[in-house]
Amino acid sequence: NAGVMQNPRHLVRRRGQEARLRCSPMKGHSHVYWYRQLPEEGLKFMVYLQKENIIDESGMPKERFSAEFPKEGPSILRIQQVVRGDSAAYFCASSPPTGIEQFFGPGTRLTVL
Amino acid sequence: GENVEQHPSTLSVQEGDSAVIKCTYSDSASNYFPWYKQELGKRPQLIIDIRSNVGEKKDQRIAVTLNKTAKHFSLHITETQPEDSAVYFCAASNPLDTGRRALTFGSGTRLQVQP
Repeated sequence: NAGVMQNPRHLVRRRGQEARLRCSPMKGHSHVYWYRQLPEEGLKFMVYLQKENIIDESGMPKERFSAEFPKEGPSILRIQQVVRGDSAAYFCASSPPTGIEQFFGPGTRLTVL
Repeated sequence: GENVEQHPSTLSVQEGDSAVIKCTYSDSASNYFPWYKQELGKRPQLIIDIRSNVGEKKDQRIAVTLNKTAKHFSLHITETQPEDSAVYFCAASNPLDTGRRALTFGSGTRLQVQP
């Protein structure tokens, strides 16, 4: 029973490039959340999705960031034209249809050069 | 929106002692309070949670208490061991409200257990 999967685990991009982060929820989970963790800081909510729907994107920066969770395949967090300040660990969490407990993936560590 | 404050930011205890971490929240509608343990470079791991219909929950050496009136909750670890060393995060949400399911995290407590 695989847990939440994220890939890649490490991603290096130069300023101005695009970053695509993928998240596959636990089996039977239909809710996905993305959080960002800056070095030595706590986790900050970005976006909450269910299949084909964005439910809450109140934590998502207005520009350059987008997220999707298609009917088939993983959820994707996309960052366009990355800047050094985007360097962080990006964690995905999933929860069951009851929507209570959230279980985290291993994260993607993005480094922007 | 919700705001969660966590204290202390660092905590050093001797092996076998108890450790207590405290959090306060601002949104009276929050009714779900999980605690996560994060080791260096690893994912946050859910260790215990409490819902607003109970005041205390215990799981072996870990317990969590909740005071809804005062809007604060605490994590208690007894008989600490070196492997308890990690950063602990509290969080709050309202899973019954789709607009409030996102977790709001505290700033974290770095616990160090000295052998």
